[in-house]
Amino acid sequence: RKEVEQDPGPFNVPEGATVAFNCTYSNSASQSFFWYRQDCRKEPKLLMSVYSSGNEDGRFTAQLNRASQYISLLIRDSKLSDSATYLCVVKGDQGGKLIFGQGTELSVKP
Amino acid sequence: ETGVTQSPTHLIKTRGQQVTLRCSSQSGHNTVSWYQQALGQGPQFIFQYYREEENGRGNFPPRFSGLQFPNYSSELNVNALELDDSALYLCASSLPNTNPLFFGEGSRLTVL
Repeated sequence: RKEVEQDPGPFNVPEGATVAFNCTYSNSASQSFFWYRQDCRKEPKLLMSVYSSGNEDGRFTAQLNRASQYISLLIRDSKLSDSATYLCVVKGDQGGKLIFGQGTELSVKP
Repeated sequence: ETGVTQSPTHLIKTRGQQVTLRCSSQSGHNTVSWYQQALGQGPQFIFQYYREEENGRGNFPPRFSGLQFPNYSSELNVNALELDDSALYLCASSLPNTNPLFFGEGSRLTVL
């Protein structure tokens, strides 16, 4: 079993749609969680951290369910510029090691 | 931007050759982490350096080695290159145990 698993992609949605990405992690001792965004052939960039109480940043909402070891990202009112790969990331127990999911590709169409 | 710079940005090698990739960390950051990202996959942790010592290693063979210098810049060396080493190599600098990580633009290695 992979340490971090994400929904398989790609997700193809029209502009204005709401899209949700899901992720599960295997290490119940994990303490820190993030969503990164990666544009084609570029480096991953932090989209947002994920907090236990859930958190929102504009059109983006992240949720964490520790009991189910489940993380989600909701994007409302999708824009063309949201097209990218979204990576679910969990901090491992080995120093600053980050464990990345495979990523889910999102394509927003006009 | 992140203040992390990597070089070279692209390079092509042949099987069996050796490669050195370089990373300059953001000022004041004494921890450097390296990741390998194969096409269609998420980044995989290679190792981390803190104050010139390896401080954690992922599931990579010994032919992947590194160095960190007194100015906290770092090198990743890969010996006896294999086709599967073709990937984007990412470097991130940080203070110890801080979240999250911010990456440089990466070095894209192609092994033929």
